[in-house]
Amino acid sequence: SQTIHQWPATLVQPVGSPLSLECTVEGTSNPNLYWYRQAAGRGLQLLFYSVGIGQISSEVPQNLSASRPQDRQFILSSKKLLLSDSGFYLCAWSVTGNNSPLHFGNGTRLTVT
Amino acid sequence: GENVEQHPSTLSVQEGDSAVIKCTYSDSASNYFPWYKQELGKRPQLIIDIRSNVGEKKDQRIAVTLNKTAKHFSLHITETQPEDSAVYFCAASPYGQNFVFGPGTRLSVLP
Repeated sequence: SQTIHQWPATLVQPVGSPLSLECTVEGTSNPNLYWYRQAAGRGLQLLFYSVGIGQISSEVPQNLSASRPQDRQFILSSKKLLLSDSGFYLCAWSVTGNNSPLHFGNGTRLTVT
Repeated sequence: GENVEQHPSTLSVQEGDSAVIKCTYSDSASNYFPWYKQELGKRPQLIIDIRSNVGEKKDQRIAVTLNKTAKHFSLHITETQPEDSAVYFCAASPYGQNFVFGPGTRLSVLP
């Protein structure tokens, strides 16, 4: 069966510091991969999605970036965090080329101080 | 791009009553519509989905309807229970890519 791992679960970082969140998927190949952000009490904002290695689509211009160095690995990064980057970050995957649902990781709660 | 609206933003019902949440989408290319339930501090979890070649789907107390012509779809929960209290999100996707979510509905089931 497929599983998705996301870490860390919580993170407190000062303004201006770098960020690296990692997500890996097991049990499937060539998944679509996504990063969403959820502000407190708000909806799910799509940040990036990827349909293959090195293929990243950005939905929201910001100081975040994403990379997919391996088929089942998706990384969210920032060189300098802003206070507004605080939120609940969710990695997700879906099957390529099929009407199948998103499967979310457990999320990373990021607080920028 | 796709835009998904969702109403109401909050909904309170008495235990045992029904709850209905409605969503509209803008992109006619969207053909897959999942619904997610998110409990406080947890990840969203899929509760039901519908594809554009189907008008209605039911799973026990939960049902979803889709009107492709009007570009709207709805979630129906019957015989609500306290454990149904959560935030519910609808989403629209063309061919299982680029999922766009509605802003969510906070459902409270009162005992």
